[in-house]
Amino acid sequence: SQQGEEDPQALSIQEGENATMNCSYKTSINNLQWYRQNSGRGLVHLILIRSNEREKHSGRLRVTLDTSKKSSSLLITASRAADTASYFCATESGSNYKLTFGKGTLLTVNP
Amino acid sequence: DAGITQSPRHKVTETGTPVTLRCHQTENHRYMYWYRQDPGHGLRLIHYSYGVKDTDKGEVSDGYSVSRSKTEDFLLTLESATSSQTSVYFCAISESVAGAYQETQYFGPGTRLLVL
Repeated sequence: SQQGEEDPQALSIQEGENATMNCSYKTSINNLQWYRQNSGRGLVHLILIRSNEREKHSGRLRVTLDTSKKSSSLLITASRAADTASYFCATESGSNYKLTFGKGTLLTVNP
Repeated sequence: DAGITQSPRHKVTETGTPVTLRCHQTENHRYMYWYRQDPGHGLRLIHYSYGVKDTDKGEVSDGYSVSRSKTEDFLLTLESATSSQTSVYFCAISESVAGAYQETQYFGPGTRLLVL
């Protein structure tokens, strides 16, 4: 069963705008990760946030984590057409070396 | 793609035939994973390996088996392919540093499998 669920399923914005995607999960986690997938390609790791962290930045990416609400958000600032991709959250729980992925948000950035 | 190759990249087969997909890594990473990706389901874990000859089941392991006889190769076998196994299959790896599992996974390019 899916641990993480992204919202919205699809998002279309104009270049230069900010894009926000959300992820909700069900059980306690060790960390939460965000991955990007360009059409027809494998997933690429973007950022990891641990359960004791509340916010993390990497370039134009900002991730927040609210463990009390079991939710995370990914903000992409000043979006570019090249940011067009599917974005997945993935959670790790326990000590079993596995990630559980959500179904993804399809982001389209229009030039 | 972090030194990960998958073969074949595309395959068309018939129901009932055995199929083996290969994942090969040049990173010497300890952990390897097989996922399938289907519309509406995202990525689902099939099997994973935490060392040579050490494997375990994932969320959707029925109908699949795996083997890992050396660090660099992780094989996924569909013993008797069914149409429900039509999917895109991704291999992923993650490393162990000084014995500690590193959570980030690196993905291969994927294999598109069509079972007729």
